Amino acid sequence: NAGVMQNPRHLVRRRGQEARLRCSPMKGHSHVYWYRQLPEEGLKFMVYLQKENIIDESGMPKERFSAEFPKEGPSILRIQQVVRGDSAAYFCASSALRDGGETQYFGPGTRLLVL
Amino acid sequence: DQQVKQNSPSLSVQEGRISILNCDYTNSMFDYFLWYKKYPAEGPTFLISISSIKDKNEDGRFTVFLNKSAKHLSLHIVPSQPGDSAVYFCAASANTGNQFYFGTGTSLTVIP
Repeated sequence: NAGVMQNPRHLVRRRGQEARLRCSPMKGHSHVYWYRQLPEEGLKFMVYLQKENIIDESGMPKERFSAEFPKEGPSILRIQQVVRGDSAAYFCASSALRDGGETQYFGPGTRLLVL
Repeated sequence: DQQVKQNSPSLSVQEGRISILNCDYTNSMFDYFLWYKKYPAEGPTFLISISSIKDKNEDGRFTVFLNKSAKHLSLHIVPSQPGDSAVYFCAASANTGNQFYFGTGTSLTVIP
């Protein structure tokens, strides 16, 4: 049973370029979450999606960031016109119900470096 | 606005001894709590969870304690092993929301 998969693992972009990060949830999971971890900080929630629906995007920056989870294929986090401050580790998680709560299982992350 | 806090950025423990990692939260609506372990260059790995209807949950060497009145939870690892050396994050969620709120992590080093 494959876990959460993310690609690429490392991504280098120059300022002004676009970054696309992909996430395939665990088999049978239809809920996807994106988090960002800046250096020396914890994980910060960005967005929660179900298939073809954005449920909660309260953690997304208002500009340049977007996310989707199409009916077919992986979830994509898209960052347009990247800036140096976007350099971070981006983690995707998918969820299952467990012990009365909802445990999220994480992928290995994509490390974005903006030059 | 850090709703989940881990005030100890690092902890060193001798192999075989108990490791105690602490976590405090401010939101009384949180009702589900988790601990994750993270190695460098990897994603967080789920360790153990507890819902607010319990005050203790045990899984092998790992036990999580929840003190709702103090808004405090802790993770006990006993006996500690060198392979436990990692960063540990606590996380919390409320039934009314979709987010998990994470602490800033505690780096545990188990000394052989």
